[in-house]
Amino acid sequence: SQTIHQWPATLVQPVGSPLSLECTVEGTSNPNLYWYRQAAGRGLQLLFYSVGIGQISSEVPQNLSASRPQDRQFILSSKKLLLSDSGFYLCAWSAQAEEPQHFGDGTRLSIL
Amino acid sequence: AQSVTQLDSQVPVFEEAPVELRCNYSSSVSVYLFWYVQYPNQGLQLLLKYLSGSTLVKGINGFEAEFNKSQTSFHLRKPSVHISDTAEYFCAVTHISSGSARQLTFGSGTQLTVLP
Repeated sequence: SQTIHQWPATLVQPVGSPLSLECTVEGTSNPNLYWYRQAAGRGLQLLFYSVGIGQISSEVPQNLSASRPQDRQFILSSKKLLLSDSGFYLCAWSAQAEEPQHFGDGTRLSIL
Repeated sequence: AQSVTQLDSQVPVFEEAPVELRCNYSSSVSVYLFWYVQYPNQGLQLLLKYLSGSTLVKGINGFEAEFNKSQTSFHLRKPSVHISDTAEYFCAVTHISSGSARQLTFGSGTQLTVLP
């Protein structure tokens, strides 16, 4: 069966520091991959999605970036974090066919 | 472009009572619809989905939803709730397309609180 892993589960970072969140999927090949951010008390905002290695689409312009160095690995990065980057970050995957998205357990990011 | 409106941000209900969580969407093309549940500090878990066929969809944990195309709604229902159903519920929509990533648009969520 397919599984999705996100780490770390929680992260506290100072303003201006870099960020790297990792997401990996097991048990499937060539998945679509997604990064979402969920601000406190709000819905989910799609940040990036990828349909293949090296293919990244950005939905919201910001100081975050994403990369897909391997088929089942999706990384969310920032060179300098802002206070507004605080939130709950969720990675998700879906198959190429008519399947819904499946989510990881998320990373709670707090910026001090 | 599509949008999703969850009409109630908070729904308190007593244990063993029925519940309905409302969801309306707008889209210029045909859509797929989903309900997800999120427990505190966890990711989202798929409850049910509507892709095609019967408009009444049954999901996990005793939940069901009915797709109403004329009213552009996809309300979630459960005849008798349990304390363990306390969570946030998200309605989501994606347009029907082939060969591309499915970009989900989420509603803002409904917090269901089941009271003893």
